[in-house]
Amino acid sequence: GDSVTQMEGPVTLSEEAFLTINCTYTATGYPSLFWYVQYPGEGLQLLLKATKADDKGSNKGFEATYRKETTSFHLEKGSVQVSDSAVYFCALRGTNAGKSTFGDGTTLTVKP
Amino acid sequence: GAGVSQSPSNKVTEKGKDVELRCDPISGHTALYWYRQRLGQGLEFLIYFQGNSAPDKSGLPSDRFSAERTGESVSTLTIQRTQQEDSAVYLCASSSGGALSYEQYFGPGTRLTVT
Repeated sequence: GDSVTQMEGPVTLSEEAFLTINCTYTATGYPSLFWYVQYPGEGLQLLLKATKADDKGSNKGFEATYRKETTSFHLEKGSVQVSDSAVYFCALRGTNAGKSTFGDGTTLTVKP
Repeated sequence: GAGVSQSPSNKVTEKGKDVELRCDPISGHTALYWYRQRLGQGLEFLIYFQGNSAPDKSGLPSDRFSAERTGESVSTLTIQRTQQEDSAVYLCASSSGGALSYEQYFGPGTRLTVT
């Protein structure tokens, strides 16, 4: 079945550092890939998405590129801020579009 | 406009009792999803409703779990004879369609604690 594996946390960075959170997946067919963010005390929000190979999703300075050859969708940001502290989830929606498969989440803490 | 709402926000129940969790999707959204999130883990798919089609129940962990949806509106997730391993946050999401490209909007969740 479909699966998502993402970088274990927690990740602690200083403000303005470069962020990478790795995500790899296993799926049949051509899934859509997503990054969700959960800020402290808030619900899950879509951060960015990519629906086909080589697409780049971007939002709020975050980027991720759909790499079919490496089955990856790594999340990157060039300069993190304290306000980026949250839990980040990688997810895919595959041939059964009703079912999203999520990774276990990576907790990011950014210190001033 | 209003987002997805869930009630109650917190529920503490004794082992063996039944519980009902409610989800009100965004108006006009035809697709509705239930997920479970155990502490420190990702979201686990439970069930999916799309319009008038038969629901996809493939994620329900046991026959103690069931869900209903009234038309294209409110949904109720029922857990019978609760067990301690049912303790988790139960998340509901809705989308304007069931295809891959439609964004899922999540509610704040119901935190269930079984004592």
